[in-house]
Amino acid sequence: SAVISQKPSRDICQRGTSLTIQCQVDSQVTMMFWYRQQPGQSLTLIATANQGSEATYESGFVIDKFPISRPNLTFSTLTVSNMSPEDSSIYLCSVTRRRVDYGYTFGSGTRLTVV
Amino acid sequence: ELKVEQNPLFLSMQEGKNYTIYCNYSTTSDRLYWYRQDPGKSLESLFVLLSNGAVKQEGRLMASLDTKARLSTLHITAAVHDLSATYFCAVEGGSSYKYIFGTGTRLKVLA
Repeated sequence: SAVISQKPSRDICQRGTSLTIQCQVDSQVTMMFWYRQQPGQSLTLIATANQGSEATYESGFVIDKFPISRPNLTFSTLTVSNMSPEDSSIYLCSVTRRRVDYGYTFGSGTRLTVV
Repeated sequence: ELKVEQNPLFLSMQEGKNYTIYCNYSTTSDRLYWYRQDPGKSLESLFVLLSNGAVKQEGRLMASLDTKARLSTLHITAAVHDLSATYFCAVEGGSSYKYIFGTGTRLKVLA
């Protein structure tokens, strides 16, 4: 399966600031996704990162708050903008390689605390 | 809209006992996944179930899929403390390949 490097692993940020999270994969992947996991909760899909075009956002998530880039088949970033304490969560990227296998691989996650 | 529900949400069981976690989903899907998450960690893939009637086993865990009933089960046999974790099922939502996760089952195995 693909190997994902997700950075940073954790951060403590001031409210009103922004944080960009990076997801680097060791091989080309078909699909890249970003998830949020609030404390004690399940994972919620934020968006699908599309290569070279705007991400596809799920209901409740907007581009102004969570801008996403995917310039190539191995790299994506998620920015959490104008942060508030409610944004404190774990953010995970996930990838799948449809033509290789049906597995999904998850990054190690970014634990974000907004104070 | 695809919805995925798990039960129970919390499970406390004695070592050596058997139990089953259930995962129900609301729309047609032929692919279901089970993951394990330890506290503070990312997700570890356990099983990929790709067709109706699929059954997979690894150690004390066995997963099955009934696509007609839109139901998957994760059966735990003779539980041990090391199985304590949160278990998630996830269903692939149609042609977009995106995952929708279940609510999760927090399992605690008591010595």
